[in-house]
Order: sequence, then structure tokens, then C-alpha cells
Amino acid sequence: EIVLTQSPGTLSLSPGERATLSCRASQSVSSTSLGWYQQKPGQAPRLLIYGASTRAAGIPDRFSASGSGTHFTLTISRLEPEDFAVYYCQQYDTSRTFGQGTKVEIK
Amino acid sequence: QVQLVQSGAEVRRAGSSVKVSCKASGGTFGNYAITWVRQAPGQGFEWMGGIIPIFGTANYALKFQGRVTITADDSKSTVYMELISLRSEDTAVYYCAREMGCFSGDCHFVFDYWGQGSLVTVSS
Repeated sequence: EIVLTQSPGTLSLSPGERATLSCRASQSVSSTSLGWYQQKPGQAPRLLIYGASTRAAGIPDRFSASGSGTHFTLTISRLEPEDFAVYYCQQYDTSRTFGQGTKVEIK
Repeated sequence: QVQLVQSGAEVRRAGSSVKVSCKASGGTFGNYAITWVRQAPGQGFEWMGGIIPIFGTANYALKFQGRVTITADDSKSTVYMELISLRSEDTAVYYCAREMGCFSGDCHFVFDYWGQGSLVTVSS
């Protein structure tokens, strides 16, 4: 099973700041087989990114992502109040597994 | 707009089973995989398995094989997930989700539409 490890566990930032989230895989993942989600309390996740770098429909361009092999990154260029949430990566190269999440909280 | 509406919360005793439903509307039901993903309290996500209704054959994560059964009723645009031999560790919110799938040979098994979640509580 491919294990995804996200870091940091919690990111404390202010609105307007840049957020950089990391997702590392225990073995190489196809560069097109990684997605990112946002989850707010009491809600289902929302797909942000697929194919490692393609924004899903309706996702603002302040969200960007990149990476290949075992290291992937999600960047939020300027945090808006509605961006404070938990973010998860998911690989679909081999079966489907998720990272444990990074919480982006207001500093 | 695609909508997935799940059945309500369930409470079960350890050793029993639970069956959760997921009704789809607003899209082409049969062509996309509907999958089940669970989230234990305060935890991340586990993919359990999925089914493409027009094919009718489900595939399951190794961890859940033998304990989970996913079925589809095309006439009702509904997918079901049954989990047996419940234990306390199965307490979780169970989500159904539509898998994006393949287009022109480009496959992305991410989940673009989600149900609202169904809380299953297992008591010992």
C-alpha cells in the first residue's frame, strides 16, 4: 500500500499569506495520479486538484499544485478566510489511499 | 448538477451488519463508478471499494474484502454498501462519492461529487 505523509500537521497563517502544503509518498506515484481535497468541519470533502496539477471545475486560481515521484505540493497563493480548513492528498496510482491531512488554521 | 443523497445515521451492535444507500440524481448514473470512503472520528479517509453500475461488478480494498458488499440498482439510481461483522473500529462517517473516471484514455480516480455522509455508530 502506498502511504502518503502530509506535512506539516498544522499550518498557522494569517489571511493574505501564502500556504505551502507537502505530501510525500512511500513509493513513486505516477505524476498524473494525485489529487487534493479541502474539507471543512461537518462537510464532505471538495475536490481541488487532480492529475497532480489540474484544478477541478470552479476552483479559484489561487490554488495550485505540482510535484512528481514521491513529493507533491499544494500552494494557496493568498489565503482567503474561506480557505481555512483541512487539506488531504490522495493517490490513485495503486488502489486509492489518502494522506492524514494538514490543517490550515488562522494565526 | 450531480447530487448524491445518502441514507441516515445508523446505530448497530458489534457483530451485526449495516447497509447504507446512496441515491444519485442529475447525471448519467450508470457510467461512472460510485465508491465508498469512510472517515473515522478525527481521522483521515479510507477507500473501501466501488462499482460501475452498468457493469455491476464491484472492486474492494484489500482491507475490506470479505466484509463489505457494494451493489447497484440501476432502476433506482442507487448504490448500496453493506458492511458485516461490525466492530467498534467501524464507527465512522461513510461517504459515497462519484469517481471522475477515464476520458479519451486519461484516467483520474479522484472523487468529484460526494454524498453528505452517513454516520454509523457501532456499540459494544
